[in-house]
Amino acid sequence: GAGVSQTPSNKVTEKGKYVELRCDPISGHTALYWYRQSLGQGPEFLIYFQGTGAADDSGLPNDRFFAVRPEGSVSTLKIQRTERGDSAVYLCASSSPSGTGDLSNEQFFGPGTRLTVL
Amino acid sequence: AQKITQTQPGMFVQEKEAVTLDCTYDTSDPSYGLFWYKQPSSGEMIFLIYQGSYDQQNATEGRYSLNFQKARKSANLVISASQLGDSAMYFCAMREGPYSGAGSYQLTFGKGTKLSVIP
Repeated sequence: GAGVSQTPSNKVTEKGKYVELRCDPISGHTALYWYRQSLGQGPEFLIYFQGTGAADDSGLPNDRFFAVRPEGSVSTLKIQRTERGDSAVYLCASSSPSGTGDLSNEQFFGPGTRLTVL
Repeated sequence: AQKITQTQPGMFVQEKEAVTLDCTYDTSDPSYGLFWYKQPSSGEMIFLIYQGSYDQQNATEGRYSLNFQKARKSANLVISASQLGDSAMYFCAMREGPYSGAGSYQLTFGKGTKLSVIP
């Protein structure tokens, strides 16, 4: 079956511009996560959706970052006034519905969007 | 303090040999899960193995096994019979339970270890 897809695979933009990154999770997965992976680092959590609502946005670095998931499926990560420090790979992951406290529930990752801010 | 520490930036292993990738973690939550992911040069994160904090036995998945030492807070990945296709970045990650306040159960990753398999 289809995995998590992300578009575009690469995005080059200029400092100060606005960008949108899209994530299409596995069908039926209610949980969706965004992570950011800087060069030489592991992924860092940004935001978590359960259904349509952002249940935890504690990882967003500042108010230039925003994400939506209006119909509980596709999600868009939006970055305003991009800065060179925003350059990274943005990863999306989804997981199936599970009981509270099911720590073993696997997150399936997409291939990522490589964002370069010039 | 780092929640996940991977002290080996890079490792080399001869093809068909076994290799151990180190991971230590830090949490005060009695309930947590530990994951290992592989990230080839293509960039996608591939789940390898999971160990729960209450699991009595070490997890195994094919050529992968997890050496879980709870008292030492370590969760080392052992890859047996290395293959050229095992060359990749390997990340250890932790998901903490409800006592940590991390209600989203997001993963916290280490910095990774780059494994190179030599023919």
